[in-house]
Amino acid sequence: DAGITQSPRHKVTETGTPVTLRCHQTENHRYMYWYRQDPGHGLRLIHYSYGVKDTDKGEVSDGYSVSRSKTEDFLLTLESATSSQTSVYFCATSTMSYEQYFGPGTRLTVT
Amino acid sequence: KNEVEQSPQNLTAQEGEFITINCSYSVGISALHWLQQHPGGGIVSLFMLSSGKKKHGRLIATINIQEKHSSLHITASHPRDSAVYICAVSSPQGGSEKLVFGKGTKLTVNP
Repeated sequence: DAGITQSPRHKVTETGTPVTLRCHQTENHRYMYWYRQDPGHGLRLIHYSYGVKDTDKGEVSDGYSVSRSKTEDFLLTLESATSSQTSVYFCATSTMSYEQYFGPGTRLTVT
Repeated sequence: KNEVEQSPQNLTAQEGEFITINCSYSVGISALHWLQQHPGGGIVSLFMLSSGKKKHGRLIATINIQEKHSSLHITASHPRDSAVYICAVSSPQGGSEKLVFGKGTKLTVNP
């Protein structure tokens, strides 16, 4: 295991509220990723980071922002949560070898 | 059309059976990944391969780069193999490696 934790593990929030999910790694991996997993869609990339303060958008980035102020932490923020953002969110890390290590996931429900 | 297609979507087997899950892709890749996800659980990387074949215990993964096809085989299947198996490809885009995922194959092994 690459020592990846996600917090919170479960969250229920109301439409329109801001939400921040945290991914923390202890392996000093350069690359970090946020995915969402939905039935019928598989895993889809939201945002990724290739270094401190270096981030870029994935295929489903609308409504999400990220920040990485230090190597070990990658934050995903939903500025104003919507019901369509109800999902399971996975963080992952990788090194230059490109094998990815996944966190345990965060189940987010927006009511 | 999805860039990564898996078949079958669902597979039920009896304990001891030989199982094959297939993955086809349409893009140029750096590597192909097989991942395992148990119900309610996290995602674990089983294999990363760019050519030939890899074996780990009862699991074997093969890839044919010319045909853009990979297979995951499970020999002497066991109920604990019941999980969703996900194929993903590493595809270089804009100077960084990103994963594109198939939708997964849900395997149920009955005792």
